[in-house]
Amino acid sequence: QSALTQPASVSGSPGQSITISCTGSSSDVGGYNYVSWYQQHPDKAPKLLIYDVSNRPSGVSNRFSGSKSGNTASLTISGLQAEDEADYYCGSYTSSTTVLFGGGTKLTVL
Amino acid sequence: EAQLVESGGGLVQPGGSLRLSCAASGFTFSNYAMSWVRQSPGKGLEWVSGISGSGGGTYYADSVEGRSTISRDNSKNTLYLHMSRLRAEDTAVYYCVKDRSPNCRGRFDYWGQGTLVTVSS
Repeated sequence: QSALTQPASVSGSPGQSITISCTGSSSDVGGYNYVSWYQQHPDKAPKLLIYDVSNRPSGVSNRFSGSKSGNTASLTISGLQAEDEADYYCGSYTSSTTVLFGGGTKLTVL
Repeated sequence: EAQLVESGGGLVQPGGSLRLSCAASGFTFSNYAMSWVRQSPGKGLEWVSGISGSGGGTYYADSVEGRSTISRDNSKNTLYLHMSRLRAEDTAVYYCVKDRSPNCRGRFDYWGQGTLVTVSS
């Protein structure tokens, strides 16, 4: 199975909003509401930001939000802060009872 | 709070095998599915294998199917991954991750610190 498709990089200025897309198929993103988003800082383990398309775990800032339309999920970060600079990955459950990740998106805060 | 501590990584020759372990604490281990996720140097995340909370369901990525066995001992709160016929492309940091439900759904809310596996002669 091929990885979910994410843009390689996005950038934004402090205070702005950015959106990262994650495109799959009807066998994964489009077929289930089990889409998650993770943030990874250099040399750190990933951190869950969003699960089940749009739910935030306790302790995650409400500046992070998720949505889905068809086979594409999106992560929006509002009020960009310097600490948001990191790699972001989407993940989805699949019809093959496996989990697929996206290739990752590097966010640069200008 | 949940804690996951991996062990068992190291340098392995191509064609060799190893067993990774993950000691879990801070939650009712048997109530949650667990998975292994790896990350090759400078690359993205790759799900490797998952197991249901009861241990009755096991799942594998195509890249390791037939070469790997995931298991768990709920009496010891420990997750395992046995990998054989290792290849250079298996070189990665291997993370032990906890799912949010008893079944594998890819919602990984806790991650270990990772253990590095290097396959090289």
